[in-house]
Amino acid sequence: NAGVTQTPKFQVLKTGQSMTLQCAQDMNHEYMSWYRQDPGMGLRLIHYSVGAGITDQGEVPNGYNVSRSTTEDFPLRLLSAAPSQTSVYFCASSYVQNSYEQYFGPGTRLTVT
Amino acid sequence: AQKVTQAQTEISVVEKEDVTLDCVYETRDTTYYLFWYKQPPSGELVFLIRRNSFDEQNEISGRYSWNFQKSTSSFNFTITASQVVDSAVYFCALSESAGGGNKLTFGTGTQLKVEL
Repeated sequence: NAGVTQTPKFQVLKTGQSMTLQCAQDMNHEYMSWYRQDPGMGLRLIHYSVGAGITDQGEVPNGYNVSRSTTEDFPLRLLSAAPSQTSVYFCASSYVQNSYEQYFGPGTRLTVT
Repeated sequence: AQKVTQAQTEISVVEKEDVTLDCVYETRDTTYYLFWYKQPPSGELVFLIRRNSFDEQNEISGRYSWNFQKSTSSFNFTITASQVVDSAVYFCALSESAGGGNKLTFGTGTQLKVEL
């Protein structure tokens, strides 16, 4: 049982490049989400999904796309990276009812130059 | 809109001291959930506790205890006899029942440094 996995752990991009951050979970959780962590700002919700085929925006969705074709995977796409997207990105998953504990992945540290 | 405030940016204590981390929240929901997470220097997020709005009983787990007071909208976290391994950033978070109830709003975190 691997829990929540994220790849890559580190990434450096140039402004304007695109990339996909991968997230997978093997706990059969319906709910998955992406957060970004910036110094002094805590974690902020980017996008979330309550099940395969269903996604919605969080607090800071601009510049990011998501899709959920399977229960296990929830990739986050940056279509045209900007320096403001330099951050640590965390994926999380949980059962959908009653705000159960969310399990977080190890994070991806992204730098955009 | 919901909000979580952790006014203490950084706290430094000497090992074996007790320390309390403050968390104040705002929500219009009557049903909500409060969480504490620990982020050690290695960077991962470790779940510590989940509490729903109908359960105001304080909880103790080893050296950790939590004081939930709806009257003051606070959910404070106390570490008794702190240890160096407690050094981490601690986040308080809130989720509301409405709209699915899984979207977490985090505070900005409190950096705890425990020194010998």
